[in-house]
Amino acid sequence: KNEVEQSPQNLTAQEGEFITINCSYSVGISALHWLQQHPGGGIVSLFMLSSGKKKHGRLIATINIQEKHSSLHITASHPRDSAVYICAVIEAQKLVFGQGTRLTINP
Amino acid sequence: EPEVTQTPSHQVTQMGQEVILRCVPISNHLYFYWYRQILGQKVEFLVSFYNNEISEKSEIFDDQFSVERPDGSNFTLKIRSTKLEDSAMYFCASGRSSATDTQYFGPGTRLTVL
Repeated sequence: KNEVEQSPQNLTAQEGEFITINCSYSVGISALHWLQQHPGGGIVSLFMLSSGKKKHGRLIATINIQEKHSSLHITASHPRDSAVYICAVIEAQKLVFGQGTRLTINP
Repeated sequence: EPEVTQTPSHQVTQMGQEVILRCVPISNHLYFYWYRQILGQKVEFLVSFYNNEISEKSEIFDDQFSVERPDGSNFTLKIRSTKLEDSAMYFCASGRSSATDTQYFGPGTRLTVL
């Protein structure tokens, strides 16, 4: 069974800072998802990636399949980026979730 | 933009009662999922559903749980005899293809078992 660990668990930063959230997993996978959970509870898919890097606006996600590690970066962070960011690895027909990283961006 | 909807948003029930949580996935999606999140804990996979049958289920998804796609649009999760520990947020999700494709989540149903 895959163990998915995220770090840090909580992160507080000032507006404009560059943010990095890390995800590591124990068993080799083909791909993983990065998700955002809003303060109200809703979940939005940010990225699905299987290799290399993807960019969407100020968000960048990278994955190293050999090292079993992925990172999510936010450039020029803004208070509206405050949310829980969740890494989820794909295992057959299911997602195995990390515990999430709670990000707070102060103005 | 199409979205996944769930009803009700909040359900309160007595222990031992049956509950049905309803989801309307995005219309051209073929893969459907239920997840749950106990307060303060991580999201957990319950079940995936494709071609009118369960494709995978977790150890949480025991005989008390069942899923159905009764009419080609709704996707339901039934809990036959609720327990206190079933209190959680339940999320439905759908996707065009397999788990490697983007999944679109509904807003969730908060289930409270008293």
